[in-house]
Amino acid sequence: KQEVTQIPAALSVPEGENLVLNCSFTDSAIYNLQWFRQDPGKGLTSLLLIQSSQREQTSGRLNASLDKSSGRSTLYIAASQPGDSATYLCAVMIGQAGTALIFGKGTTLSVSS
Amino acid sequence: DAGVIQSPRHEVTEMGQEVTLRCKPISGHNSLFWYRQTMMRGLELLIYFNNNVPIDDSGMPEDRFSAKMPNASFSTLKIQPSEPRDSAVYFCASTSAGWVSPSGNTIYFGEGSWLTVV
Repeated sequence: KQEVTQIPAALSVPEGENLVLNCSFTDSAIYNLQWFRQDPGKGLTSLLLIQSSQREQTSGRLNASLDKSSGRSTLYIAASQPGDSATYLCAVMIGQAGTALIFGKGTTLSVSS
Repeated sequence: DAGVIQSPRHEVTEMGQEVTLRCKPISGHNSLFWYRQTMMRGLELLIYFNNNVPIDDSGMPEDRFSAKMPNASFSTLKIQPSEPRDSAVYFCASTSAGWVSPSGNTIYFGEGSWLTVV
């Protein structure tokens, strides 16, 4: 059974720092891996999607990498801002049965000004 | 586009009552998902529809839960009878990906229905 783990569960940094969020998954048979952002009381917003054949994706200050063989992904946030404060979740889309996205429990980020 | 629309946004109900949550997916999307989010268990997939047909309901916790998708623009998740342990945020999401889509199209989430059963 696919399991997704995110470390750390919470992270506090001062504004301007570069930071890395980690995601690991137990089964490498995935179609893609996605990173989402969730603000308090809101739904999830997709940030980056990495296909299983890709190594990384970039969007603005965000860069996500994928190492399928080791079952790991990282989300790099450059020059963090208070507006980046949110919970970040990673999810893998698994193959075979295609049972949609399996989520980690997220990393809650707090960026102080 | 208005995005995925869920109702009600908040509901407080007494144990034993029937609860119906509603979802309108993004127009043109053919896949719809119901998720439940709690602090303890995170986001759990409850059921998944493709072209209005339930594909995988293995995540539905027990017979008290049922979901329907009578047409491409509407789905319901019903809990009957409700119990305090059902208290959670229930999310609906949709995408244009197929049952197994190597392209992995972006999935869009509604803002959730916050359910409290007392």
